[in-house]
Amino acid sequence: GQQVMQIPQYQHVQEGEDFTTYCNSSTTLSNIQWYKQRPGGHPVFLIQLVKSGEVKKQKRLTFQFGEAKKNSSLHITATQTTDVGTYFCAGPGSNYQLIWGAGTKLIIKP
Amino acid sequence: EPEVTQTPSHQVTQMGQEVILRCVPISNHLYFYWYRQILGQKVEFLVSFYNNEISEKSEIFDDQFSVERPDGSNFTLKIRSTKLEDSAMYFCASNQRGQGANGANVLTFGAGSRLTVL
Repeated sequence: GQQVMQIPQYQHVQEGEDFTTYCNSSTTLSNIQWYKQRPGGHPVFLIQLVKSGEVKKQKRLTFQFGEAKKNSSLHITATQTTDVGTYFCAGPGSNYQLIWGAGTKLIIKP
Repeated sequence: EPEVTQTPSHQVTQMGQEVILRCVPISNHLYFYWYRQILGQKVEFLVSFYNNEISEKSEIFDDQFSVERPDGSNFTLKIRSTKLEDSAMYFCASNQRGQGANGANVLTFGAGSRLTVL
């Protein structure tokens, strides 16, 4: 069945360093969504990408959707402690469900 | 900002007992969902509900699970006879337009109900 793979599972960074998570789908996606889940919290929508090759920015966060609409990435520049959490990508598996990546946990080293 | 509310926030139950988790989706949303997240793992789709019926369900959503919209506001998930492996965080979510090929509609999640089966 359709799968969404996300790597890495964890990334430890010093505060101020950059962070990147990558997402790959086994099928072409009509769109991809990114969510952030703080420790102990629930997923919160960050952004949706729809167009091939699309790049969107939210302050220090840069989201890309691949030309083939099968991969995506999230890059955070100069991480801050408020960025801590798990970042999930998700793509539509049908009209009614999202298929989620396993998430990348961002850990800021003390 | 409108919220999806879930109760209880935490439920502890004995194996074999029935559990009902409750959700109040955002009032003008039409599509409702239950997702499950085992501790530290990915978010897994359970079921979607539209127009008072199940529109899609996953393999996880077996005969032990059922959903209901008993009135105009509540959306419930029932687990008939809980198993140890049902221990997880259960998230309710809702949106206006489903997912679809024309651009997904954002999912708004509730804070979750943590189920612990002993």
